[in-house]
Amino acid sequence: DTAVSQTPKYLVTQMGNDKSIKCEQNLGHDTMYWYKQDSKKFLKIMFSYNNKELIINETVPNRFSPKSPDKAHLNLHINSLELGDSAVYFCASSQGVGLRTLNQPQHFGDGTRLSIL
Amino acid sequence: AQKVTQAQTEISVVEKEDVTLDCVYETRDTTYYLFWYKQPPSGELVFLIRRNSFDEQNEISGRYSWNFQKSTSSFNFTITASQVVDSAVYFCALRYSGTYKYIFGTGTRLKVLA
Repeated sequence: DTAVSQTPKYLVTQMGNDKSIKCEQNLGHDTMYWYKQDSKKFLKIMFSYNNKELIINETVPNRFSPKSPDKAHLNLHINSLELGDSAVYFCASSQGVGLRTLNQPQHFGDGTRLSIL
Repeated sequence: AQKVTQAQTEISVVEKEDVTLDCVYETRDTTYYLFWYKQPPSGELVFLIRRNSFDEQNEISGRYSWNFQKSTSSFNFTITASQVVDSAVYFCALRYSGTYKYIFGTGTRLKVLA
């Protein structure tokens, strides 16, 4: 029943490790996003895919690599984790970019809290 | 430039007080949408309302009301008779035509004290 689900909810790991976060949406949307929310609650867009094609790629270290196997899934892999990667990562989805879908809000997952030791 | 400004970083009120959260936006587009989201302490982001650039009617939903004024590029959110459960971070966002991006403000943390 969950619209946008991401796993895991919590991720605690050591510096230097590699980890992945998975995201799936069952809303039939064609666009998915990854955001990073820091301790001050700023929401920063990282990536977006539309129908498996990368359309937004903000200034993010290349240790972060998104992968979209299909339009319902968008995963985030992070290599060589650093202390500054500690944050909450949110997956979101929305529909289209045309005038008819401009009014569609983003739907967010519950977030993955990543803690680097 | 396309931008959303929420100048109030944090607001504290006592229960039952009214409170207004400010949102000022910048866009060159004539067709755009504005959104408000709530992030309670549990962490999820909850969509509250959207408003398109051609509809300046205010909206009321229970204790919540929204005032959209194009003349001042503002989309303010008022909570009447605030309750402790209203404590959250509130985000205002902008989406303009032809973009996949949603431009978020920096959020306003509202604390409602019992």
